[in-house]
Amino acid sequence: DQQVKQNSPSLSVQEGRISILNCDYTNSMFDYFLWYKKYPAEGPTFLISISSIKDKNEDGRFTVFLNKSAKHLSLHIVPSQPGDSAVYFCAAIAGTTGTASKLTFGTGTRLQVTL
Amino acid sequence: DAGVTQSPTHLIKTRGQHVTLRCSPISGHKSVSWYQQVLGQGPQFIFQYYEKEERGRGNFPDRFSARQFPNYSSELNVNALLLGDSALYLCASSLTGTSTFYEQYFGPGTRLTVT
Repeated sequence: DQQVKQNSPSLSVQEGRISILNCDYTNSMFDYFLWYKKYPAEGPTFLISISSIKDKNEDGRFTVFLNKSAKHLSLHIVPSQPGDSAVYFCAAIAGTTGTASKLTFGTGTRLQVTL
Repeated sequence: DAGVTQSPTHLIKTRGQHVTLRCSPISGHKSVSWYQQVLGQGPQFIFQYYEKEERGRGNFPDRFSARQFPNYSSELNVNALLLGDSALYLCASSLTGTSTFYEQYFGPGTRLTVT
């Protein structure tokens, strides 16, 4: 049962344009969402996060949008740069009280930024 | 500051053998989590430890076990290895008691190949 889904396995965008990566979830208990970027032979790197009480969080070129009613979130990268080429994972946490925080990941979207 | 470190980087084992993977969290981080990433999939949660106690466990057989030491480093043990255990094993550490607790920082992983 895939609770976090990234339906686009790959995305190609020209340098300077906007990249939009999408993520859908099914578990209503998820209350915190994160995006990670992963280069080959490295572990995932935390990028940006959003709490379920917000609908937008922005950090430089990266913005995450959350639509709770649609159980959908998206990551916008503007402008896209060649160094952004990586696999992007959407992840979610259910129950952000206490000390246990299991991340549930999607299957990832490979972003390629072309010149 | 040093990030999350894992050892070894790569490992080749034979079916039926036992393996121990090691992780050192970021200084000051008291929580360590383990994830398994099979090729083409997102990381899957195995365990979380906080203050040397197991705080969460994923859907993995009892062949998988872990522990956390007083210095907050951790070991993941897998007994009776199967071919399906071949994967990238990721360790992640996080702070506790702050707003950034949910942002888990990953190590580079240990690539385990079972032949």
